[in-house]
Amino acid sequence: DGGITQSPKYLFRKEGQNVTLSCEQNLNHDAMYWYRQDPGQGLRLIYYSQIVNDFQKGDIAEGYSVSREKKESFPLTVTSAQKNPTAFYLCASSATDRFYGYTFGSGTRLTVV
Amino acid sequence: AQSVTQLGSHVSVSEGALVLLRCNYSSSVPPYLFWYVQYPNQGLQLLLKYTSAATLVKGINGFEAEFKKSETSFHLTKPSAHMSDAAEYFCAVSYTGGFKTIFGAGTRLFVKA
Repeated sequence: DGGITQSPKYLFRKEGQNVTLSCEQNLNHDAMYWYRQDPGQGLRLIYYSQIVNDFQKGDIAEGYSVSREKKESFPLTVTSAQKNPTAFYLCASSATDRFYGYTFGSGTRLTVV
Repeated sequence: AQSVTQLGSHVSVSEGALVLLRCNYSSSVPPYLFWYVQYPNQGLQLLLKYTSAATLVKGINGFEAEFKKSETSFHLTKPSAHMSDAAEYFCAVSYTGGFKTIFGAGTRLFVKA
């Protein structure tokens, strides 16, 4: 079955450490997205990519970086510059026509220790 | 600017009672409208979407939503709540000519036995 796979499900980061969250899709979707979810704040867009080798900053890109070298993959790196990284991170994808809505992965919960 | 407002961060209903989750949007262009459901520690799943073909939209699990342009609303309803409906629900808007989808802050639904 087609879908989005996020890994790991839980991730612990030490102060000053960079960590990378994986997101892979086999839906042949062109567009991919990263959202951050905090309690009571809904979803906030970090980065999005409409096509391979191209991506744009979302509303809260500071302290994060991404790459889009393959259509199927859109990894997110949480850098040491992100001062409050503890959150639930969601990856999503969509067809070029967003009328169809998004398909989401099951999320990665990142905790600073 | 486009935005989504969900009235009530928490809604509690008894099993078998009507479920009504409210969503209002602002958009200067024709919107695409969506409802998603999220169970604990999982990603979001698309419940239904507004296609512009019909104002009353039916989705999965017995949910439906009605698009009312005059009220800029897209409220989600279900005639009879089930315990398994307990989850968080997100309203979202996308729009022609844009690229990002904007999510509401979410409404957590509690179902009492």
